Amino acid sequence: AQSVTQPDIHITVSEGASLELRCNYSYGATPYLFWYVQSPGQGLQLLLKYFSGDTLVQGIKGFEAEFKRSQSSFNLRKPSVHWSDAAEYFCAVALRGGYQKVTFGTGTKLQVIP
Amino acid sequence: DVKVTQSSRYLVKRTGEKVFLECVQDMDHENMFWYRQDPGLGLRLIYFSYDVKMKEKGDIPEGYSVSREKKERFSLILESASTNQTSMYLCASSAALEAFFGQGTRLTVV
Repeated sequence: AQSVTQPDIHITVSEGASLELRCNYSYGATPYLFWYVQSPGQGLQLLLKYFSGDTLVQGIKGFEAEFKRSQSSFNLRKPSVHWSDAAEYFCAVALRGGYQKVTFGTGTKLQVIP
Repeated sequence: DVKVTQSSRYLVKRTGEKVFLECVQDMDHENMFWYRQDPGLGLRLIYFSYDVKMKEKGDIPEGYSVSREKKERFSLILESASTNQTSMYLCASSAALEAFFGQGTRLTVV
C-alpha cells in the first residue's frame, strides 16, 4: 500500500544544534515530495518541494532536504536550529499525474530548548 | 500573497446538527481540498475538487459532503454532526502542486 512515514513523533534539540527530520515513502514510482511546517495555531506553510533534478533541495527559513531514491527517503535538515523553528513538520507526497492529491505523514513535533 | 480564508476559527455544534465549513481562496486555483487533522494521525484528506461542481472522495469521506458552486469557494458539510467529528479542519487550494492552507477551523461537537 502507498504510504508516507515520519518515524519520529517528537524531537527535542538545543538551540544552535543541527536538525534532521526523517521521512520515508512507499510508492510504486518516485512521487513529488514536500515538507510543510505548522506553527502553533496556524495553517501549514510549504518549506520546500522536490519534483526532479538535483536531489538536494533548498527551501525557506534555511531548511534543505535530500531525496535518496535508494532509501525512498526525503529527510529535512537544518544546520543550526533557532527557537522560532519549534513547530510541527509534515512530510507529504503526491503521485505524478492525476488530480494532484497530496498525502501527508503523521507529523514530527519539534521542541527547541535554550 | 495567496490567501485561503476559512470562515470560522472555532465552532461548537451539537450532535445531529448540520454544519457548514466555508473556505474561500483568492488566487483562481483549480484545486481545493478539505483535510481533518487529529493528533498522531496527521492530515487526512476528506474531499477534493479539481473544478467547479467537480469533486472526488479522499481517504475519509464518510459523514461528509462538499459543494463547489464557484471556483473560489469550497464548502464542507457535516450532514449530521457526531462527536467523532470533533477535529481541526484545514482547507487548502493548490496550483502546480503547491498547496496553500487556511488557518483551520477547530470544530467541537457536543
